[in-house]
Amino acid sequence: DADVTQTPRNRITKTGKRIMLECSQTKGHDRMYWYRQDPGLGLRLIYYSFDVKDINKGEISDGYSVSRQAQAKFSLSLESAIPNQTALYFCATSDFRTAGHEQFFGPGTRLTVL
Amino acid sequence: GENVEQHPSTLSVQEGDSAVIKCTYSDSASNYFPWYKQELGKRPQLIIDIRSNVGEKKDQRIAVTLNKTAKHFSLHITETQPEDSAVYFCAAPHNTNAGKSTFGDGTTLTVKP
Repeated sequence: DADVTQTPRNRITKTGKRIMLECSQTKGHDRMYWYRQDPGLGLRLIYYSFDVKDINKGEISDGYSVSRQAQAKFSLSLESAIPNQTALYFCATSDFRTAGHEQFFGPGTRLTVL
Repeated sequence: GENVEQHPSTLSVQEGDSAVIKCTYSDSASNYFPWYKQELGKRPQLIIDIRSNVGEKKDQRIAVTLNKTAKHFSLHITETQPEDSAVYFCAAPHNTNAGKSTFGDGTTLTVKP
């Protein structure tokens, strides 16, 4: 089945380290997103991309950067990790051809910054 | 941008009772309103959605109602079962950027056996 995958699934790192979270999809969708989930704060958008040449900041992009290496791959980087970036990170995709813009989420990456 | 408020943040019901979760949105041009369910340790998944040209949609025990005048939409779960226990999120798209959505903060539903 077509899916959205994320690596790693869990990561523990130290303050100041550079971290990359990777997302791949076999759905053939053009749109990809990175969200952060914290308890009680829902899903907050970090960055999104509507195609390989299109990258946009979301509501909480400070401290993060992204790279859309191909239609199927969208990576999130923390250049210098800090403890308040400890969270559950989700990648998602959607298809511009569907009017509803349903989003399909990956399994999540749990990141802990010590 | 779009502001989405979701209530309540937690909801506890007895098995067999009904549960209702409500979301309000700010952008009157929004035209698509999904609800996602996230079970413990799992990814969010769409369970039902509604478009602005209808007022209600049902799928077995779940339904969504939309009031465009008041700018709110609600998720209704009838005959709740323990497997309905999860976090539920609503979302609304941005009018000027329909591929981008704002999510509510989530409602943790607990169904007691």
